[in-house]
Amino acid sequence: KAGVTQTPRYLIKTRGQQVTLSCSPISGHRSVSWYQQTPGQGLQFLFEYFSETQRNKGNFPGRFSGRQFSNSRSEMNVSTLELGDSALYLCASSQGPSSYNEQFFGPGTRLTVL
Amino acid sequence: AQKVTQAQTEISVVEKEDVTLDCVYETRDTTYYLFWYKQPPSGELVFLIRRNSFDEQNEISGRYSWNFQKSTSSFNFTITASQVVDSAVYFCALSEIRQAGTALIFGKGTTLSVSS
Repeated sequence: KAGVTQTPRYLIKTRGQQVTLSCSPISGHRSVSWYQQTPGQGLQFLFEYFSETQRNKGNFPGRFSGRQFSNSRSEMNVSTLELGDSALYLCASSQGPSSYNEQFFGPGTRLTVL
Repeated sequence: AQKVTQAQTEISVVEKEDVTLDCVYETRDTTYYLFWYKQPPSGELVFLIRRNSFDEQNEISGRYSWNFQKSTSSFNFTITASQVVDSAVYFCALSEIRQAGTALIFGKGTTLSVSS
């Protein structure tokens, strides 16, 4: 069974630009969660999608958005990039809600904002 | 509010030593789940264990063992006879399931370095 895949793996953008990250969950998994990982703040929850519906959203500004497609693939978008958005963005999938199911994480997308 | 504290930022041990990673959590709910994840240098987090708030049985899996004590709100993780391959960042996480759409809250992580 293929694991969680994320594309691209690395991305360099400049301030003010926008970016779209993609995540393909494990086949059969309906929940996709996104996390931001930085040295200072650690792992922070961004949002979770389950069957194309956003179940929960973390404490991030509206510049961060996401969506999930009918095949469970998910994308997250960050508009008007700021230097502080530089981070490793991790996607995780699970069969059921992430709050009580084992999550399988992808390798992450390393975003650098210059 | 939920909170997970991993007071040990970094731990260094020599191979074959036993090491315990501490995790203390705060929650006002009676129903919750606790998790441990490992993040090796490659970057992908790997699930290690899940424990619900009603199951205080300790668990052992090979060289790994977990001690869950609700009385002290702790969920500590012990690696016996550590190996170099255990070097990683270990995260403890908490989620409450009473409310729909509850998010997983991670601790800051403990970096474990095992030298040969």
